[in-house]
Amino acid sequence: NAGVTQTPKFRILKIGQSMTLQCTQDMNHNYMYWYRQDPGMGLKLIYYSVGAGITDKGEVPNGYNVSRSTTEDFPLRLELAAPSQTSVYFCASSNQRGEAFFGQGTRLTVV
Amino acid sequence: AQSVTQPDIHITVSEGASLELRCNYSYGATPYLFWYVQSPGQGLQLLLKYFSGDTLVQGIKGFEAEFKRSQSSFNLRKPSVHWSDAAEYFCAVGFNNNDMRFGAGTRLTVKP
Repeated sequence: NAGVTQTPKFRILKIGQSMTLQCTQDMNHNYMYWYRQDPGMGLKLIYYSVGAGITDKGEVPNGYNVSRSTTEDFPLRLELAAPSQTSVYFCASSNQRGEAFFGQGTRLTVV
Repeated sequence: AQSVTQPDIHITVSEGASLELRCNYSYGATPYLFWYVQSPGQGLQLLLKYFSGDTLVQGIKGFEAEFKRSQSSFNLRKPSVHWSDAAEYFCAVGFNNNDMRFGAGTRLTVKP
């Protein structure tokens, strides 16, 4: 059972570069989320989606974009990477009762 | 405003001792409540959840949590801690199905 799969696991970007963090789930969940985790700060919600074609901003959306063309996929786009975006990124999906299942994370460093 | 607070950043307990991790939330209604555990370099794993009904819920790995509406709290407990319980623990609150917020986490160290 794959669950939630994130790629890549690690990435180093230069300031101003762009990249897409991939996330896919095979549980047919409508709800999907992107969080970033910084030391001592817990997880902050970046964007979420309640179904294909529907996305909305979370607590910290600036500098990021998302799309949701299918139920399975929820990629996160960084257009102009900044050092403040150095973090660990987690994708999650949840069932109707809000039980979330997380990917293994992507560790991003912007230099 | 909706918020989740874990007052303890770091807790150290001896193996075999009891454990209680605190979680408080701010919200006008009863939210969905969760505890997750994160081992180093790993994603988050659900320990237990509360939606409604019995306010004492049992989870995996011998953990339990009690919802206290009057205190807006959902504290996690374990009667006897094992060395393998050392990890970071996150309380999460689902204010609706679309918005789940996490506390800052409590790091648990277990002394031999």
